[in-house]
Amino acid sequence: DQQVKQNSPSLSVQEGRISILNCDYTNSMFDYFLWYKKYPAEGPTFLISISSIKDKNEDGRFTVFLNKSAKHLSLHIVPSQPGDSAVYFCAAIGNQAGTALIFGKGTTLSVSS
Amino acid sequence: GAGVSQTPSNKVTEKGKYVELRCDPISGHTALYWYRQSLGQGPEFLIYFQGTGAADDSGLPNDRFFAVRPEGSVSTLKIQRTERGDSAVYLCASSQTGNEQFFGPGTRLTVL
Repeated sequence: DQQVKQNSPSLSVQEGRISILNCDYTNSMFDYFLWYKKYPAEGPTFLISISSIKDKNEDGRFTVFLNKSAKHLSLHIVPSQPGDSAVYFCAAIGNQAGTALIFGKGTTLSVSS
Repeated sequence: GAGVSQTPSNKVTEKGKYVELRCDPISGHTALYWYRQSLGQGPEFLIYFQGTGAADDSGLPNDRFFAVRPEGSVSTLKIQRTERGDSAVYLCASSQTGNEQFFGPGTRLTVL
């Protein structure tokens, strides 16, 4: 069973609008969450993260929101740019440093100009 | 500032052969991870090294898979008697904090 779920395989957004990517998790022991971005033929690139003690973390155009009671997080990109088109992976990690990342299946974001 | 590097970038082999995949982590990163990504899936954990020792190898699918990191830097993932189902992109990541992990470009393994 998948512990990290990204239920939308794809999302299309117009340039300048907001992109919202969603992620749900089932394991209440997860205490740190990350978003990675992946272009074809490249490895995942770290984007932004959030600790379970926070409910929001912002970095430029990227904001991650965490709702622990709902076991849900989301990544907001505003304004979206064509260069944001990529696969976005949500990942979670347990409460021990060095444990493995558990990834969702990814959401392909397409931003049209 | 070199990132994580992996060689080769592509490897095509025949069923039953032995392959080695190499990972060069970011200098100074003590933690090193191997993941495998199949088509349409997210990366799946294989093994984690802290320094020279394998701290967690629970993700290795079977005993055909083995990895080493003899000097606490470069790591080699070894696959014996390859099978077609081993075809995937093998990703290596390194970390200093244990939370944010930085990935290499991956090795695409194709077993014919």
